[in-house]
Amino acid sequence: GIQVEQSPPDLILQEGANSTLRCNFSDSVNNLQWFHQNPWGQLINLFYIPSGTKQNGRLSATTVATERYSLLYISSSQTTDSGVYFCAGGSRSRLTFGEGTQLTVNP
Amino acid sequence: SAVISQKPSRDICQRGTSLTIQCQVDSQVTMMFWYRQQPGQSLTLIATANQGSEATYESGFVIDKFPISRPNLTFSTLTVSNMSPEDSSIYLCTSWTGGQETQYFGPGTRLLVL
Repeated sequence: GIQVEQSPPDLILQEGANSTLRCNFSDSVNNLQWFHQNPWGQLINLFYIPSGTKQNGRLSATTVATERYSLLYISSSQTTDSGVYFCAGGSRSRLTFGEGTQLTVNP
Repeated sequence: SAVISQKPSRDICQRGTSLTIQCQVDSQVTMMFWYRQQPGQSLTLIATANQGSEATYESGFVIDKFPISRPNLTFSTLTVSNMSPEDSSIYLCTSWTGGQETQYFGPGTRLLVL
């Protein structure tokens, strides 16, 4: 099956800083999603992005499908951005998740 | 977008017992899936719940331990049988239907087995 590698595993930022999270896939995927898991365990979908670039407020994502990686950018981070960020890929909804990036934003 | 609810939201159970988790989607969907998230870990797909037929299990998961039902296009249950402390996890439900892009998950069921 597909292997999904995320980096970095942990990231600590000061409020207002920018960050880039990366996700590498071992094979091509036609379904790629980024999620944020808040401290209460709820998974929030950030992007569906099998290719190209999307932006939503302070967050943006870019997927280079030919090179099998995706990047999530967080600008002007806020304490509420803290939590675990997962990327997941696969076909339809049979998603394989990466191990996640634990983000801590300090005030 | 589908709204997914789960019951119970959390539970504490004794080893050797079983717990059934319910997943309800507010619209008819083609596929429903169950994932497990062990403490501090990522999400792992347990099985695909098929309407009208037996669930399709991923490697490492078996029907005797995680029986699944899907009686209609909006509802599914996952039972965690003969529980041990290693079953302490968050169990999440998600759905997919034709043309859907964004993937939504239910709020999860936090299970603690003592």
